Amino acid sequence: AQKITQTQPGMFVQEKEAVTLDCTYDTSDPSYGLFWYKQPSSGEMIFLIYQGSYDQQNATEGRYSLNFQKARKSANLVISASQLGDSAMYFCAMREDNQGGKLIFGQGTELSVKP
Amino acid sequence: GAGVSQTPSNKVTEKGKYVELRCDPISGHTALYWYRQSLGQGPEFLIYFQGTGAADDSGLPNDRFFAVRPEGSVSTLKIQRTERGDSAMYLCASSRGSLQRARQETQYFGPGTRLLVL
Repeated sequence: AQKITQTQPGMFVQEKEAVTLDCTYDTSDPSYGLFWYKQPSSGEMIFLIYQGSYDQQNATEGRYSLNFQKARKSANLVISASQLGDSAMYFCAMREDNQGGKLIFGQGTELSVKP
Repeated sequence: GAGVSQTPSNKVTEKGKYVELRCDPISGHTALYWYRQSLGQGPEFLIYFQGTGAADDSGLPNDRFFAVRPEGSVSTLKIQRTERGDSAMYLCASSRGSLQRARQETQYFGPGTRLLVL
């Protein structure tokens, strides 16, 4: 079974609009962390935002926020006021406490921002 | 401060050859990770070092793949008898290595090495 599922292979958004990228996860470990990374065409993975399984509030980092719904096992990324430079691949990842240090990544969503 | 660096940025080799990929982590980071990313896929975990020792090498696909980190800083991923299926982006990441807060440790990635096996 997929541990991280990103169901949107590609998304389009108009510049200055908000967009939500979906991520669902599967784990039996009560202690885990969820991460979002951005990967531009250059290839480097850029950390965006983190949400811990015990965090009571949704994480926010500038224009990025994470809509964490623990019961549904979803951790959607919301990007507000999209910019042309936001066009990239976006990956959701999970780290489970009982699985050591490794991150498990989803398949990614390619976001294209239209002018 | 400097981020994670990886060399070479691109490597083209012939099937059957041996290759080494180098990763220089962020200074002071004790944890180091290698991932492999095939085209159109998310990164897949290969191996994780805490200091000099491999804490988890469960992601290495077979015994042609080996990684070392002899002094707890720079790491080298070694691939013997390369195959065309080894062609991928190889990503290295590092983190502080705080075992008490492992769950929320952010991994910072390097620019990757694109390996092409002809």
